[in-house]
Amino acid sequence: KAGVTQTPRYLIKTRGQQVTLSCSPISGHRSVSWYQQTPGQGLQFLFEYFSETQRNKGNFPGRFSGRQFSNSRSEMNVSTLELGDSALYLCASSSGLSTGELFFGEGSRLTVL
Amino acid sequence: GNSVTQMEGPVTLSEEAFLTINCTYTATGYPSLFWYVQYPGEGLQLLLKATKADDKGSNKGFEATYRKETTSFHLEKGSVQVSDSAVYFCALSENTGGFKTIFGAGTRLFVKA
Repeated sequence: KAGVTQTPRYLIKTRGQQVTLSCSPISGHRSVSWYQQTPGQGLQFLFEYFSETQRNKGNFPGRFSGRQFSNSRSEMNVSTLELGDSALYLCASSSGLSTGELFFGEGSRLTVL
Repeated sequence: GNSVTQMEGPVTLSEEAFLTINCTYTATGYPSLFWYVQYPGEGLQLLLKATKADDKGSNKGFEATYRKETTSFHLEKGSVQVSDSAVYFCALSENTGGFKTIFGAGTRLFVKA
């Protein structure tokens, strides 16, 4: 079956702009988690959605937001971009009902200039 | 809060050498433990998992045992190959009304022919 699909794969923005990233989970998976990966901070948890509800949230400012649609697809939005937001944003899907095993997409690499 | 600590890299080995990557964790409950691997330019993929104490996860010659008494989940492989060169992440996941997976900092492995 198809894996986790993230779009776009690469994007360049300037400070102050906003960005929306999209994630389509594995068919049948109802949970989507988002992570920010940077060389200095590693993998940091942003939030987890299950059946359109945010169940968990990491320690990121309110500029980072997300949502999940009825078909389990998810989007995350970052407003008022800062240079430090440059990172690889990874989406992961899971059934949300068992051990928490995650299936990752290839990520969206955001560069903020 | 929960946390994962793994040995710093990079680790450089010759082909057919024995590999150990140490991982210890702190958790309030009874988490599931995972090793994920990230190959260059790709997202993370699950390597192995263990869901309760004394469980041994194994895959592709890698194995790790969930040790509750030492709060450890060390990754081992008896004979590494060049194709094993990647970044390895130890992680824990706990269901607290939703899953939040916490990752270690990652250990980069280089295997020389």
